[in-house]
Formats: sequence, structure tokens, C-alpha cells
Amino acid sequence: RKEVEQDPGPFNVPEGATVAFNCTYSNSASQSFFWYRQDCRKEPKLLMSVYSSGNEDGRFTAQLNRASQYISLLIRDSKLSDSATYLCVVNNTYSNYQLIWGAGTKLIIKP
Amino acid sequence: NAGVMQNPRHLVRRRGQEARLRCSPMKGHSHVYWYRQLPEEGLKFMVYLQKENIIDESGMPKERFSAEFPKEGPSILRIQQVVRGDSAAYFCASSHEHRTPLGQYFGPGTRLTVT
Repeated sequence: RKEVEQDPGPFNVPEGATVAFNCTYSNSASQSFFWYRQDCRKEPKLLMSVYSSGNEDGRFTAQLNRASQYISLLIRDSKLSDSATYLCVVNNTYSNYQLIWGAGTKLIIKP
Repeated sequence: NAGVMQNPRHLVRRRGQEARLRCSPMKGHSHVYWYRQLPEEGLKFMVYLQKENIIDESGMPKERFSAEFPKEGPSILRIQQVVRGDSAAYFCASSHEHRTPLGQYFGPGTRLTVT
């Protein structure tokens, strides 16, 4: 079983729709969770951290469910520019700089 | 303020050749991390260096791969006798302190193709 698992997609979504995807992690001791965005053939960029109580940044909402060991990302009123691969990232519990990356969920927003 | 710089952006090598990837961290950053991303996969941690020191190379393959971060100049990831399986995107990140990703800034990556 992979340490961080994501549905690879692609998710094909019309512009303006709401889309959500989940990520599951295997290590219950993980403490830090992040969503990154990666455009095709570019470097990953931090989208948002995920806090225990859930957090929102504009059209983006992240949730953490420790009991079920998954995190989610919700995008409202999707824009064409949201098309990208979304990477779920969890800290390695043995070091505070090593990260464990999911393979990503590809999102395609269609006009 | 220039970000993390990597060069070359694209590198083609024949099997058996050597590949040298360079990373210049952001100004003021003394911590460098190298990651590898195989096609359709997530990033994998390779090595963490500070100036003149390898702090953690637990993600580096035991053979053919080496990394350095000299006192002067960029960090270098060296792959000797490349094989087709080395074809990947190699990303470098830098940070000011020994921190989690909130402090890690990524470079644009080097795409290595082994023919």
C-alpha cells in the first residue's frame, strides 16, 4: 500500500462547477498535511496547508479527517486556470523536512 | 530576488554517460533538498544538504548517485553511468532554516532524458 494515495483522475469538470478530491495516508502519526499544485512540466507550488479544524482560502477548502486518515480539497466556482495536478503531501514522521508525496490528481476544467 | 535556479532545464544523455544537475538556492538559503519525480508519480526525497555537509541522503540510490553543496557555488547532483530508468524530473528546493515545506522553495526542475 502506498503511503499517500490519490485518485489519478483526470477529473473533467465544467467551468464554474465545484469539484472535490480526497487523499488517504497510511501513517496515523502524521502531523502535517499540505496540498500542492503542479502545472504540466513545472515545479510544485504550495497551495495550502491543511489544519485539523479545516481551513479555507478563497475558493479552496481543505479538510482533515484523522479518524479515517484522509484529507480533502474542495474547489468552488472552478476556473480554467485551476486546471493542474493537485498533489497531496504528508510529513515523514521521522524528520521534519522529509515529505511524502502522492502521485497527484489531474484536474481539467472545461469551458 | 531571484528564486531557486536549476540548470540545465533539459538534459539528454546516452546510457553510460554522466549527468550533472546544478541548483543555486535562493539568496540567503543554506539548506538544499533534491527530489526526483518519475513520470506519473509523486516527488521522492533524495538528499538534504547544508553548505559542505550532507545531512540526510537516505533517499539516494546507493550506487551511481552523489550530491554536494560546496562552500562556493551551486549544489550538484551527479549521476554516473546513467540508465533509462534515471529519466525523470529532478527538483531542487531550498530553505532558510531546517524547516517543513512552508519554508521550502522549489526550482523549475531539470528534465533528464536517457536515450
